Amino acid sequence: NAGVTQTPKFQVLKTGQSMTLQCAQDMNHEYMSWYRQDPGMGLRLIHYSVGAGITDQGEVPNGYNVSRSTTEDFPLRLLSAAPSQTSVYFCASRQTVHSGNTIYFGEGSWLTVV
Amino acid sequence: KNEVEQSPQNLTAQEGEFITINCSYSVGISALHWLQQHPGGGIVSLFMLSSGKKKHGRLIATINIQEKHSSLHITASHPRDSAVYICAASVAGSYQLTFGKGTKLSVIP
Repeated sequence: NAGVTQTPKFQVLKTGQSMTLQCAQDMNHEYMSWYRQDPGMGLRLIHYSVGAGITDQGEVPNGYNVSRSTTEDFPLRLLSAAPSQTSVYFCASRQTVHSGNTIYFGEGSWLTVV
Repeated sequence: KNEVEQSPQNLTAQEGEFITINCSYSVGISALHWLQQHPGGGIVSLFMLSSGKKKHGRLIATINIQEKHSSLHITASHPRDSAVYICAASVAGSYQLTFGKGTKLSVIP
């Protein structure tokens, strides 16, 4: 199993550009989520999905869009990048929606917006 | 006030020392997770526990539900243990995890 695969690992964007961070898992997990990690702060939830076709907002959703057309894939779209979106992004999944399951993270995507 | 508090924020230890990282939470939980993040790397789940104690190699995690407190212990620490350790609470009745800010551990040879 590859687990949770995130791409790209590193990206530099100009302000106003759009891009998509890809996330795929091969464990048939119901729940998938995107977090951002900033210095001095804990991981913050951007968006999450409890199954194909179902998504919802987390703590910091503004400026981001998601979709879940298949169980495996959960891409995160930055609509018009801003310097405040410079961060490290992590995709994560777990088997069921219940938060008492082991969570699996991707390797992270380092995004810089200039 | 963050619902999940970790201490210390930073910890430097000599190789071989016994290390303890603490996590206190103020919410009702269904489970408590300990995660490890190496510099520039991804995040790996070390433990998930809802009661008692779990051990994996040199790592031991304990939880006291009544006191709303968990600890991560590392015995015979090694430089490869240098990482950020993150505690996360599975909030009862919620899909979501609430994360602590992490403890940065440096083990010096």
